[in-house]
Amino acid sequence: DIVMTQTPLSSPVTLGQPASISCRSSQRLVHSDGNTYLSWLQQRPGQPPRLLIYEISNRFSGVPDRFSGSGAGTDFTLKISRVEAEDVGVYYCVQLTQFPFTFGPGTKVEIK
Amino acid sequence: QVQLQQWGAGLLKPSETLSLTCAVYGGSFSDYFWSWIRQPPGRGLEWIGELNQSGGTNYNPSVKSRVTISVDTSKNQFSLKLSSVTAADTAVYYCTRGPVGIWFGESWGQGTLVTVSS
Repeated sequence: DIVMTQTPLSSPVTLGQPASISCRSSQRLVHSDGNTYLSWLQQRPGQPPRLLIYEISNRFSGVPDRFSGSGAGTDFTLKISRVEAEDVGVYYCVQLTQFPFTFGPGTKVEIK
Repeated sequence: QVQLQQWGAGLLKPSETLSLTCAVYGGSFSDYFWSWIRQPPGRGLEWIGELNQSGGTNYNPSVKSRVTISVDTSKNQFSLKLSSVTAADTAVYYCTRGPVGIWFGESWGQGTLVTVSS
């Protein structure tokens, strides 16, 4: 299985300031079709996860443009340009290139 | 806008079979992939398996010997069965769907807490 790691596991952030989460995979995530299937999910307390980013950098419908994804190969990053109160929650990266799909452990974003 | 609504027994005894159903409202099964994902209390996410566009399935090896994902297109529902449950299967279970390239996460069910306890 592909192992996904995330840093940091906890990120206290001041409102209006940026936040960045790193995700690393144990293998390159380039699929045989040439695409890289790396997504980011947000999970607010008590809610189902929500898709933010797919294929490294594509924002899903309705996701604010303060969220952006980047990376390649085995190293990926989710950035929040200016953290808002509604961004509190746990963020997961997930690889969908190889079965079984696997998640990172999650990064908890909280307000200082 | 599509809605996924799920239900099933919330309390099971060890060795019983977990059975959950996810109904799709406002959408069809074609052109999508359908997954089940679970989350033990206070922990992270685990992908259980999927039903693909061709009606085929892919399962996580961690549960492959015990899991079945199936679809009833006449009712616009898909289901999860997990046999021989133990306390380690206690989790919130989510159904979710996605198109090609996204695979899952486009829409989610509300989640069902399944507790396994004697």
